[in-house]
Amino acid sequence: QKEVEQNSGPLSVPEGAIASLNCTYSDRGSQSFFWYRQYSGKSPELIMFIYSNGDKEDGRFTAQLNKASQYVSLLIRDSQPSDSATYLCAVNRRADSNYQLIWGAGTKLIIKP
Amino acid sequence: SQTIHQWPATLVQPVGSPLSLECTVEGTSNPNLYWYRQAAGRGLQLLFYSVGIGQISSEVPQNLSASRPQDRQFILSSKKLLLSDSGFYLCAWSSTAPGELFFGEGSRLTVL
Repeated sequence: QKEVEQNSGPLSVPEGAIASLNCTYSDRGSQSFFWYRQYSGKSPELIMFIYSNGDKEDGRFTAQLNKASQYVSLLIRDSQPSDSATYLCAVNRRADSNYQLIWGAGTKLIIKP
Repeated sequence: SQTIHQWPATLVQPVGSPLSLECTVEGTSNPNLYWYRQAAGRGLQLLFYSVGIGQISSEVPQNLSASRPQDRQFILSSKKLLLSDSGFYLCAWSSTAPGELFFGEGSRLTVL
């Protein structure tokens, strides 16, 4: 079992709809959770992070965390073609006295006009 | 504001040749610095990270090395490239918040 799992996609969503991206993790000691967006051929950029159970909203983006079920989601409302990208989930956990960031392989999202 | 730059953006190198990728950060002091590699369709693999000048931690044993000669400069090197070294190399920095990374533009390496 991978430590951080994402459906590779592609996930196809019509323009204006809600895109829902999911990520599950295996280590219950994980403490913080991040969503990065990566356009094709470009470097990742941080779009959301969440530390506590529940929802966190930022504009059209909502991150949802459920530690009991060990999953974190990213919702994109009013999807736009410019949202088409690969979305990487990253999970931060303690490893000895340090933090270790574990990455999922990403979900490719396609927004259809 | 903080900026990060890495170069070169693309390079094609023969097997057995040396490699040097450079990364610099501006607008912050004592950043944590990282080198990642991303193979096609894969997640990010941490290669090295540094919490200060001369302090390098290696995550994956390989023929690559890293150095941090100055506070905001991070260099990835190899004496002899392998075919398996091909990939997209990313430099990143963070402040004290673990996980909140800011990436450079990336360097795409093809080893032939």
